[in-house]
Amino acid sequence: ETGVTQSPTHLIKTRGQQVTLRCSSQSGHNTVSWYQQALGQGPQFIFQYYREEENGRGNFPPRFSGLQFPNYSSELNVNALELDDSALYLCASSQGTGGETQYFGPGTRLLVL
Amino acid sequence: GIQVEQSPPDLILQEGANSTLRCNFSDSVNNLQWFHQNPWGQLINLFYIPSGTKQNGRLSATTVATERYSLLYISSSQTTDSGVYFCAVGGIGAGSYQLTFGKGTKLSVIP
Repeated sequence: ETGVTQSPTHLIKTRGQQVTLRCSSQSGHNTVSWYQQALGQGPQFIFQYYREEENGRGNFPPRFSGLQFPNYSSELNVNALELDDSALYLCASSQGTGGETQYFGPGTRLLVL
Repeated sequence: GIQVEQSPPDLILQEGANSTLRCNFSDSVNNLQWFHQNPWGQLINLFYIPSGTKQNGRLSATTVATERYSLLYISSSQTTDSGVYFCAVGGIGAGSYQLTFGKGTKLSVIP
């Protein structure tokens, strides 16, 4: 059974640029959720994708957007990067959109200069 | 939205000691998970425990949903137990299902 994978592992961008992060869900999982973890904080929910549609969103501006593909993998796109976007971005997959266990990938560390 | 508080924020233990980590939450939830975050950032699932008690080796967890708290017990701690422990609760927030994390307990186990 393949776990959740993310790419790239690390990324450095400059303010104003755009970035795309990728996530492959665990085998058999149809739901992907994205979280942002700032240094010293707990992860914060960005949004969730189910059946290729956004299924819920946290308190993040529209420049954070996403996609889910037919194979359930997902992308997180961030436009007009700001210094505060520097964080660890985590994706999690689950078998549904309710109270199922979420399994996390290793994360992508983004540094915005 | 749901509020999650974890205590203590920091904990230093001698190897072999036992510890209890607490998670309080503000509303009814249908999912509660405990995670261990290793130094590389990976969140490792420890327990899925919206209610009741579970044990896995030296770790055990209890959730009392009616009183809105969960406890994680670590017995005979080892240096490899060091890291940050997060409690995350699931529920509907701002119209959508999401996991809400506490700020974590940073555990340091010294030899």
